[in-house]
Amino acid sequence: NAGVTQTPKFQVLKTGQSMTLQCAQDMNHEYMSWYRQDPGMGLRLIHYSVGAGITDQGEVPNGYNVSRSTTEDFPLRLLSAAPSQTSVYFCASSDPGQGINEQFFGPGTRLTVL
Amino acid sequence: QQQVKQSPQSLIVQKGGISIINCAYENTAFDYFPWYQQFPGKGPALLIAIRPDVSEKKEGRFTISFNKSAKQFSLHIMDSQPGDSATYFCAARESTDNNDMRFGAGTRLTVKP
Repeated sequence: NAGVTQTPKFQVLKTGQSMTLQCAQDMNHEYMSWYRQDPGMGLRLIHYSVGAGITDQGEVPNGYNVSRSTTEDFPLRLLSAAPSQTSVYFCASSDPGQGINEQFFGPGTRLTVL
Repeated sequence: QQQVKQSPQSLIVQKGGISIINCAYENTAFDYFPWYQQFPGKGPALLIAIRPDVSEKKEGRFTISFNKSAKQFSLHIMDSQPGDSATYFCAARESTDNNDMRFGAGTRLTVKP
């Protein structure tokens, strides 16, 4: 199993550009989430999905869109990048049926918006 | 405002010493308290977790102590090793809201040989 994979690892954007961060998992997990990690802030939840076709907002959703057409994939879209979106982005997945609902994180995407 | 407050921001410990990281939370509905370990360039990985029906949980050199009345919990790393050098995050969540995990700001631990 590859676990949770994310692409790209690094990305530099100019203000106003759009892009999609890719996330895929091969563990057949129902739950998937996107977090951003900023110095001194820990990880903050952007959007999450409890299954294919179902998404919801987290703590900091503004400026981001998501969709969940399959169990495996959960892309995060930045429609018009802003310098405030410079961050490290982590995708995570979990299986609520396993009780403790451990979240498995991907390796992250480091995004810089100029 | 952060619902989970973590201290210290950074910690330096000698090899063989005890590392202690503290967290405090505000929401009394939280009932799941994990600790994550993150190495540079990697995503966080679950280290150990506790529910509020117990006051302590131990796994190898790692122990969580939980004080429900004070709304505090801490991670103790016994016999700290250089390989433990990483950033540690505490977190908290309500079981009824499986995806709304609230994280502390993180503690960068350095264990000197």
